[in-house]
Parts: sequence; C-alpha cells; structure tokens
Amino acid sequence: DAEITQSPRHKITETGRQVTLACHQTWNHNNMFWYRQDLGHGLRLIHYSYGVQDTNKGEVSDGYSVSRSNTEDLPLTLESAASSQTSVYFCASSEGLNTEAFFGQGTRLTVV
Amino acid sequence: QKEVEQDPGPLSVPEGAIVSLNCTYSNSAFQYFMWYRQYSRKGPELLMYTYSSGNKEDGRFTAQVDKSSKYISLFIRDSQPSDSATYLCAVGPPTASGGSYIPTFGRGTSLIVHP
Repeated sequence: DAEITQSPRHKITETGRQVTLACHQTWNHNNMFWYRQDLGHGLRLIHYSYGVQDTNKGEVSDGYSVSRSNTEDLPLTLESAASSQTSVYFCASSEGLNTEAFFGQGTRLTVV
Repeated sequence: QKEVEQDPGPLSVPEGAIVSLNCTYSNSAFQYFMWYRQYSRKGPELLMYTYSSGNKEDGRFTAQVDKSSKYISLFIRDSQPSDSATYLCAVGPPTASGGSYIPTFGRGTSLIVHP
C-alpha cells in the first residue's frame, strides 16, 4: 500500500545543531507540505512544494529549509535549532487541487 | 484575524450524545471544506469533504456548510468513546488563487466522549 513515512519519530537535539527530518511518500504525489503543530496554534505551514525543484515558504518558514530533488522526498532542515522549534512536525502530500492531503505520523522534536 | 477560526475546547460529552463541532472562515471565495480527525500522537486523517454549500452525510457524521454566514459544522450522532479525538476543519483555496493547493486549517477542537 502507498504511504507517507516520517523519520525519526522522536528526536532530541541541542540548541544550535543542524537537524534534518525526513519525509518519504510512495503515492507519486506532486504536492508535499511540512507543518508544525503546537498547542494553541494548530497546524502551521512551514514549507511546501508543488513538484521537483519547486519549494515555497509558508507561514512560519524562518529557520527552516527544504529541498525537492525527487518526487518522493521532501526533507526539512533546521539550520540552527532553537528551543522555539520544539514541536511536532507533520509532513503531508496530495495529488492536486483540493484533493485529500495524506499526513505522516509526525516527528516529535525537542530542542534542549 | 485567522482565515479559519475554531474553538479548541475541550468538548466533553456522554456516550450517545449528538456532537456539534463548528468553524468560521473569513474568505468568501473558499469552495472546498474538509474535516480531519486526529487521534492522540497520530497524523490527521480526512473524515469528510464537501464542495460549496449544503450537507453531506456519511454514517453517523454529517458535514454542513453555510456559505452565506461562512460557517461550517460537523455533527456526530450517537457519539462513541472511539470518537474521542481532535477534529480539525480545513478550507480549500480560493478559486481565484491561480492554483494554490494548500488547505488552511483551524486550530482543532478536542472532543472527549465518556462512557
């Protein structure tokens, strides 16, 4: 069955370190998204991509970057981790306009 | 003002109750309306999906859209403890957006159905 997987599921890192969260989908979807979810804020869009070599900033993109070298993967990099980036991160993918977004299981990141 | 407003709750109801979950949105051009369900420590999953105004029913769940008041609702009949989850509303992009594919989510409402 097609799926979307995130790794790692849990990560503890130190302030200032670079961290990369992986997202891999096997649906061959063009659209991929990264969200963070925090109490009181809901899901906030970090970055998104409409296809290979396409990346765009979302609502809360400062301190994060993504790259899309193939259809299946959209890794999220925290260039210099900060305590404010402690959160649960969700990757999602969708096929086209207004179709269902499929979410991964999430990565719980703690920056100490 | 956020594009989608949703009361975070928690909403606690007894088993068997009818549950009403609601969202308001600000952009009258939105055409697609979705409800996602998120269990604890899981990713959101699409529950209901409606286009434009009207009702859509799926088993115990009914999604309702009132575009005149920019109000969307999810009703759960005969609620069960297994319905305990966070429910997120989401709206599809404006039709004049030029191809934006990004749903906008509400904050989610935490629902607790107790036996």
